[in-house]
Amino acid sequence: SQTIHQWPATLVQPVGSPLSLECTVEGTSNPNLYWYRQAAGRGLQLLFYSVGIGQISSEVPQNLSASRPQDRQFILSSKKLLLSDSGFYLCAWSSTAPSGANVLTFGAGSRLTVL
Amino acid sequence: GQNIDQPTEMTATEGAIVQINCTYQTSGFNGLFWYQQHAGEAPTFLSYNVLDGLEEKGRFSSFLSRSKGYSYLLLKELQMKDSASYLCAVRDSNYQLIWGAGTKLIIKP
Repeated sequence: SQTIHQWPATLVQPVGSPLSLECTVEGTSNPNLYWYRQAAGRGLQLLFYSVGIGQISSEVPQNLSASRPQDRQFILSSKKLLLSDSGFYLCAWSSTAPSGANVLTFGAGSRLTVL
Repeated sequence: GQNIDQPTEMTATEGAIVQINCTYQTSGFNGLFWYQQHAGEAPTFLSYNVLDGLEEKGRFSSFLSRSKGYSYLLLKELQMKDSASYLCAVRDSNYQLIWGAGTKLIIKP
């Protein structure tokens, strides 16, 4: 069966510090990978998605970046955090099958507080 | 623009039935999803509708009308553990998911 791991679960960072959130998927190959952010009372906001190693699509221009160094590894980074980067970050994966629901499965999430 | 509307909050009684509505306006349609999200946790998949009609899965059912841009999630025999937010999402013509802000469901004994 497939599992998705995301860490760290919680972090508190000062403004201007760097960020690295990591996500790995087990039990599948060549998954689609996603980074979402969820602000209180708002819908999930897609930040980045990837259909393969080194292939990253950015949905929202900001000071965050993503990388996919391995097939089942997805990393969210920032060189300098802003207060507005605080939020709940979710990694997700889906199958790349040409038909069917291709349901998104989420990691446990990372709650980031920037002070 | 693309839009998903669902009520912000609903309250229901343990053992009762509740219906959570979702209306959408998107560029194309390739399926509608319902997810459950407990406070502080990740969303978990509940149901998927791509054709009109009712999909039943235990105590939960989901209905879709593509011509009306409308779906609902029906929860029967409510339990306290059903207290959560319920997220509606639509996959558009570009296969991107458009998410509603979620409906917070409060269950009272």
